[in-house]
Amino acid sequence: SQELEQSPQSLIVQEGKNLTINCTSSKTLYGLYWYKQKYGEGLIFLMMLQKGGEEKSHEKITAKLDEKKQQSSLHITASQPSHAGIYLCGADAQGAQKLVFGQGTRLTINP
Amino acid sequence: EPEVTQTPSHQVTQMGQEVILRCVPISNHLYFYWYRQILGQKVEFLVSFYNNEISEKSEIFDDQFSVERPDGSNFTLKIRSTKLEDSAMYFCASSSGTGSNNQPQHFGDGTRLSIL
Repeated sequence: SQELEQSPQSLIVQEGKNLTINCTSSKTLYGLYWYKQKYGEGLIFLMMLQKGGEEKSHEKITAKLDEKKQQSSLHITASQPSHAGIYLCGADAQGAQKLVFGQGTRLTINP
Repeated sequence: EPEVTQTPSHQVTQMGQEVILRCVPISNHLYFYWYRQILGQKVEFLVSFYNNEISEKSEIFDDQFSVERPDGSNFTLKIRSTKLEDSAMYFCASSSGTGSNNQPQHFGDGTRLSIL
């Protein structure tokens, strides 16, 4: 079965700094999704990547999927307090409807 | 922006009792899902539902679980005889496509289920 491993598990950065979160899959990714979760709340969809080498950006967040489609990264530029939360990567295996999730990366932004 | 809504936000139930968690998916979505997240653990898939039937389910989704779409808007998860280990956050999600027409799943805010 497909497994997703995120790194780091937690990250503390100073406001204004850049940061990167990684997501590595045990199998080829057919769809890779990034979500943000605030404590005790639901998952907010950020971006979806499907093609090798694909890169998408929304405001100060950029997500990339490597050419081999086994690793994705989420990069935040000039971090702000509003970026704080838990970032989850999710993947759907070929032929399956379910999403498999990584364990999440807890991001704290210090003023 | 359309969103998935879940009720209640928090449910406290005695062990052995039945519980029904309710969800209203995004109106034009066709695929519906339930996931759960035990405190400190990964979000886990429970079941997917399409065209009024279960399309996929996990090993977790045993005979004590059932799903239903009783009308055109609601999607429910029933746990017949709750156990202590059912305590978790339960998330409902919906999407407009899957498979070759991949579309993102949109999640509700969850129902926190506490079994006493």
